[in-house]
Parts: sequence; C-alpha cells; structure tokens
Amino acid sequence: SAVISQKPSRDICQRGTSLTIQCQVDSQVTMMFWYRQQPGQSLTLIATANQGSEATYESGFVIDKFPISRPNLTFSTLTVSNMSPEDSSIYLCSVRDPFGTDTQYFGPGTRLTVL
Amino acid sequence: DAKTTQPPSMDCAEGRAANLPCNHSTISGNEYVYWYRQIHSQGPQYIIHGLKNNETNEMASLIITEDRKSSTLILPHATLRDTAVYYCIVRVANNYGQNFVFGPGTRLSVLP
Repeated sequence: SAVISQKPSRDICQRGTSLTIQCQVDSQVTMMFWYRQQPGQSLTLIATANQGSEATYESGFVIDKFPISRPNLTFSTLTVSNMSPEDSSIYLCSVRDPFGTDTQYFGPGTRLTVL
Repeated sequence: DAKTTQPPSMDCAEGRAANLPCNHSTISGNEYVYWYRQIHSQGPQYIIHGLKNNETNEMASLIITEDRKSSTLILPHATLRDTAVYYCIVRVANNYGQNFVFGPGTRLSVLP
C-alpha cells in the first residue's frame, strides 16, 4: 500500500485568506485526488491531479478557488483561496494504488476551520 | 448519485459478528463492490472488494448474493476499534476514468 502524509494536519484561518495543503506519497503514483468532507457529510471529490497536466475539476469546483499543483509523481498541493466559513471541512488527499491493485488510499486529512 | 443504499446506523456488541448490508440493485456486470471505512477524524481505509464470489481477508468477509443486487460485509469478531462509518461503493475495476463515489455510509457503533 501507499503511505500518504498531509501538512498541516489542522489549521484555523481567517476569512479572506488562503491556505495551501501539501500531500506527500512514499511511492510514485500517476493519479492523485483531492476530496472534501464537510462536517457530518460524506466525501466529495474536488479534482483529479495528474502529473504533467492540469487538474480536472468536478462540477461545482473551480480552479480559481482550489488551485492544484502536481510538480512530480510523489507530491501535490491544494490551495483553498479566499476562504469563507463555508470552506470549513476536512480536505483529503488520495492516490490510486501504485502497485496495480484497483484500490485507492487516503491520507489522514487536513481539518480546516475558517473563522 | 450513489449507486448503493445502506442503513444509516447499526449497533453491534463487542465480540459478536457485525453484518453490514448494502443494496446495489442496478449494479452492472463489470462493476465490483468495494468497502471502505472511516474511523473518526481519519482518512477512509480500504477493507475489501469483490465481483461475484465471496471474498475474505484479514479484516473482513464479503458475501455477494447470486444476483449481485446486494452484499454483506462481515466483521467476524467486532471490537471497539471497529466503530466507524462503513461505505459500500460499486465501480468498474481498473477504470482509471471512474472515481470512487462515497455515499453516506453506515455508522457502526460497537458497544462494550
């Protein structure tokens, strides 16, 4: 399996500011994903980040609000821009198994609170 | 829309088997059934997946009905640490254009 770490694990931010979340994987992976989990809700996919190409965003999510970088096969960042209290959520990084089984692994998440 | 329906919550006594049902009446012939769980404040954890045969690993067993319209995840001897939200997901295996879509899941409470 892949081991995924995220930084920061949690943060409290002021309205109107931006936060960049980092995701590091211990193996090279082609496909990385960013999910959001709002309080008491299930996971919602924000975007798919593939190395060497622009991220693909799901309906309801836009690049200006959630810019994503994918500089190499083990690292990605998600920025939450111009934050409002509605952005308070857990943000999760996920990767497709690099060893060929069709499973998906998740990072521990970043718990964001916007005041 | 999620292709599965699960009960919102279940209780199970510690040490007993936990049987978590999932209905997927519109499942296609090439779609697999996956189970994940999310323990509070952690990322989802993969448990098991299968196509039509029953599957077992060190964590759980997956029983899929012959018509594939429903399945049951079995935790044979539930412990307090199995308290989590359990998600049943159907998707085509090895379809890199299709992501895992999480429904609301079943909140399992293992009681002492």
